[in-house]
Amino acid sequence: AQSVTQLGSHVSVSEGALVLLRCNYSSSVPPYLFWYVQYPNQGLQLLLKYTSAATLVKGINGFEAEFKKSETSFHLTKPSAHMSDAAEYFCAVAGTASKLTFGTGTRLQVTL
Amino acid sequence: DTGVSQDPRHKITKRGQNVTFRCDPISEHNRLYWYRQTLGQGPEFLTYFQNEAQLEKSRLLSDRFSAERPKGSFSTLEIQRTEQGDSAMYLCASSPSGTGYTGELFFGEGSRLTVL
Repeated sequence: AQSVTQLGSHVSVSEGALVLLRCNYSSSVPPYLFWYVQYPNQGLQLLLKYTSAATLVKGINGFEAEFKKSETSFHLTKPSAHMSDAAEYFCAVAGTASKLTFGTGTRLQVTL
Repeated sequence: DTGVSQDPRHKITKRGQNVTFRCDPISEHNRLYWYRQTLGQGPEFLTYFQNEAQLEKSRLLSDRFSAERPKGSFSTLEIQRTEQGDSAMYLCASSPSGTGYTGELFFGEGSRLTVL
């Protein structure tokens, strides 16, 4: 069975600083991996996805993630944080029938 | 494309009452999923449909929960005899299926249930 682990339930960065949110996966087959963002009282919006093409994936709002098979990681980064990036971020891995298994989430706080 | 819509967005009910949530998926999507999200946690899979067939149910889906998708379009999730532990956000998602599909799910805004 596939699973993902998100290290750090809360991350705080200053506006303009690098954002790094960590995700490690476990999968018996080549994984499809996703990062979603959730704003308060809203659904989930896809940021980016890895589907076994390029290992460096670019998404919306300046986010990107790098798939590293040797480290079983898919960390999310953004060079310069903006106040509007404050939200909950979820890493997910796809199983059969596109069923997603999510991590527990990382709440990103951006301070002035 | 109107996206996935869910109704109601918020529901407050007393313990023991029944509640029903509705989900309208993106029209051309034949797969529909229900997830539950409790405070501070990631979404947890409950069940999914391909067209009108319910193909998988999580063990989280107790016998008080029932989901239907009668004509392969909208879906309903009913919770009978609600308990305080049912308080959560119920998320619906849809996707197409078929060769080459890469698994992205499209989520609705969710239905938040509060059981008093």
